[in-house]
Order: sequence, then structure tokens, then C-alpha cells
Amino acid sequence: GDSVTQMEGPVTLSEEAFLTINCTYTATGYPSLFWYVQYPGEGLQLLLKATKADDKGSNKGFEATYRKETTSFHLEKGSVQVSDSAVYFCALSPYNFNKFYFGSGTKLNVKP
Amino acid sequence: DTAVSQTPKYLVTQMGNDKSIKCEQNLGHDTMYWYKQDSKKFLKIMFSYNNKELIINETVPNRFSPKSPDKAHLNLHINSLELGDSAVYFCASSPPGTTQETQYFGPGTRLLVL
Repeated sequence: GDSVTQMEGPVTLSEEAFLTINCTYTATGYPSLFWYVQYPGEGLQLLLKATKADDKGSNKGFEATYRKETTSFHLEKGSVQVSDSAVYFCALSPYNFNKFYFGSGTKLNVKP
Repeated sequence: DTAVSQTPKYLVTQMGNDKSIKCEQNLGHDTMYWYKQDSKKFLKIMFSYNNKELIINETVPNRFSPKSPDKAHLNLHINSLELGDSAVYFCASSPPGTTQETQYFGPGTRLLVL
């Protein structure tokens, strides 16, 4: 069945460091891919998305590219800030079916 | 201006009790969802409703019963609460028409069963 696997955390970085959070997926057809962010004590917010192969989603300095050949959607940011500390979820929505599969979440801690 | 709202935000109760969590969205969306997030942050879908009709039921115990009085509301009633029901419950909604749309989440209801 469809699923998402993302790297386990927590990930601890110093401010201005480069961030990569790996996400790979298993799906039939052509899913849409998403990254959501959950700040402490809050609900999930959409960070970025990509709906077809080779699309790049970007927002707030974060980027992720839909790679069909490697079934990946890794999240990157060139220079993280303390305010980026949160839990990041990779998710997919299968083609023609409005249901989401979430990864297990990766906690990011950014230290000043 | 709140898009997806849930009440209550916190719920502490005894084992065996019955409780309800309410969810409302003012986005005009047709589809609404309930998710359960456990202590390890793992997020799993429980139910999905489209225009008041159940479309997803992910092998959730019968003690959980969603109710959608109209397409802007999806409430979750839980009977005979158990310790393992302690979690954060998130409501979400998504736009009508096409599939694979972004989901909009509520702030969550933190349920603690003692």
C-alpha cells in the first residue's frame, strides 16, 4: 500500500546550518507530495507541496523536489533559524483519492 | 477568522467516561477528517467525511463515532474511554472538487484519560 518514510529525529543543528530531512514514498500512480510543519502546541500547517514529477515546492526558504526516479521528496533549507524548530511531516495523497498518508515526523531543534 | 476550529482544546477525563470533541470549518470545504496523533507524534487518519457522508473509516474501534450534522461540522464522540485513547486529536478539511488537495488542520484537542 501507499506509505511515507522519513528520517528519524531529533535533528539538532546550529543556527545558519544547512538542513536536509529525507523523505521517500511508496505509491501507485502519481501522488501529490507535501511537507507540513507543526510548531509546539499547534496544529499542522502546510509548508510546501508538489503535484507532479520534477516539480519543486518552496516556501519560507524551504525547498523540496519531487523525484519520481528515486521516489523521494527531501526537504532542504540553506540556513536554518531558531524559529524553524518544529516537527516536520512528509505526506502523500494518492492520485484520485483524497486521503493523506503521513510520515512519522522529524523533530528539528535549532540552537542559537 | 479561524479556519478550522476545535473544542475543547484540552480534555481530562476518567476511564469509562463518554466525551465529545467538536470541529467546525468556515472554509466552505466539502471534506473533513479526524486524525489521532500519539505521544511519538505519529499521525494517523481515523475518519473522513465528504458532504456529510463517511468515505474513510480506518479500522477505528466502534467506541469512536463521528457525526456530521452538516458539511461544516464533524464531531467525534468517544464512548467508554480507555487509557490508550490519550492523544492529540486533529480535525482537518480540504477543498471540494479535485482530489489531492491541501488539508487544513485545526489546533488539536489534547485528550488525557486517567
